[in-house]
Amino acid sequence: EVLLTQSPATLSLSPGDRATLSCTASQSVGTSLAWYQQKPGHSPSLLIYETSGRAPGLPDRFSGSGSGTHFTLTISSLEADDFALYYCQQRSDWPYTFGQGTKLEIK
Amino acid sequence: QVQLQESGPGLVKPSQTLSLTCSVSGDSIGRGAHYWNWIRQSPGRGLEWIGYIYYTGDTYYNPSLESRSTISVDTSKNQFSLILKSVTASDTAVYYCARDGNYGAGLLGFWGQGVLVTVSS
Repeated sequence: EVLLTQSPATLSLSPGDRATLSCTASQSVGTSLAWYQQKPGHSPSLLIYETSGRAPGLPDRFSGSGSGTHFTLTISSLEADDFALYYCQQRSDWPYTFGQGTKLEIK
Repeated sequence: QVQLQESGPGLVKPSQTLSLTCSVSGDSIGRGAHYWNWIRQSPGRGLEWIGYIYYTGDTYYNPSLESRSTISVDTSKNQFSLILKSVTASDTAVYYCARDGNYGAGLLGFWGQGVLVTVSS
């Protein structure tokens, strides 16, 4: 099974800051990497698919990059609504797996 | 808009069987355009993909749960279901049903609100 490791576990930043979240895969997943956002008490919500594709309605301050085993989710200028949990997920190899998450918190 | 809603008991005794149903509105499972998934989330295991099913009944199970899991579909009721046998405390989790988005299998564009299932005597 593909293990996804996210770093950092917690990221403390202020509104207006740039956020960089990382996801490293234990083997190549090509570009079959997605990102989800989850807020307390809610289900995860798909943000990015296939490394860099934006889900409909996603603000362009969110961007994804990478390939193979190293991936990044960047939020160019944080807004209050962006502080949440973020998970990466691969669909290159079954079973599909998620990372353990990065908590983006207000500093 | 596609909506999914999980239903089932919130408390299951150890060694017994967990049974959940996902009711779908705003789309037809029988249309055959999507895959229908079960995922669970717990503090200890994080997000874990249990498996998914196509309207034909073709299923894909996580090997870690395959021996205890059954996913089935009822196109006449526009529902799909999960059965997990011989549960233990480690099966305590929020269980979600989900549908892939419009980007293919393995990308979850629509989720239910989740149901907390506690395994305890």
